[in-house]
Amino acid sequence: DISVTQFPSTVSGSIGDTVTITCWASQIIDPWLAWYQQKPGRAPKLLIYKASNLATGVPSRFSGSGSGTKFTLTIYSLQPDDLAVYFCQHYNSYPWVFGQGTKVEIK
Amino acid sequence: QMKLQEAGPGLVKPSESLSVTCYVSNGSMGTDYWNWVRQSADKGLEWIGYVAHTGDTNYNPSLKSRVRISLDTTRNQFSLMLTSVSAADTAVYYCARSPPSWSFYFDPWGPGTLVTVSS
Repeated sequence: DISVTQFPSTVSGSIGDTVTITCWASQIIDPWLAWYQQKPGRAPKLLIYKASNLATGVPSRFSGSGSGTKFTLTIYSLQPDDLAVYFCQHYNSYPWVFGQGTKVEIK
Repeated sequence: QMKLQEAGPGLVKPSESLSVTCYVSNGSMGTDYWNWVRQSADKGLEWIGYVAHTGDTNYNPSLKSRVRISLDTTRNQFSLMLTSVSAADTAVYYCARSPPSWSFYFDPWGPGTLVTVSS
């Protein structure tokens, strides 16, 4: 199975900051990677698919990039509403696997 | 906008079977893939498996011997059955759609249903 590992487990930023979350895969998976946002008590919500494609209705300050085994989610101009846990998920080969999550905190 | 909604038993006894149904509204089930994902504090998010619009299925090998996912397009729903459950199966169970072709990301998701395995 291909595993995915996220760094860091927690990241803090002030309003207006740029924060970056990294997802490493144990094998080449590009471009089959998605990013999700999960707020407390809610289901995950798709942000990015196919590594860099913004899902419908997602603000443009969310951006995905990367290739091979390293992928990045960048949140520009951090907002209070961005307080959440973010997950990556590969869909290169069965079984699909999620990262362990990165908690974004607001300073 | 398509919506998914899970319905589950809430509490299941160890060694029994767990059954959860997902109801799909505001959309057709005709071309997509229909998934189950669960989330627990121990294992995080775990993909359980999918049923395609054709009825074909694919399961996570870690659960394959205990899982069955079925589809009823006439009633716009699909279901998960997990047999021989234990406390390790306690989780929030989500249903989620994947679009046609090789695009196995999940969108949208249902709100989830908590299933607790306990005697």
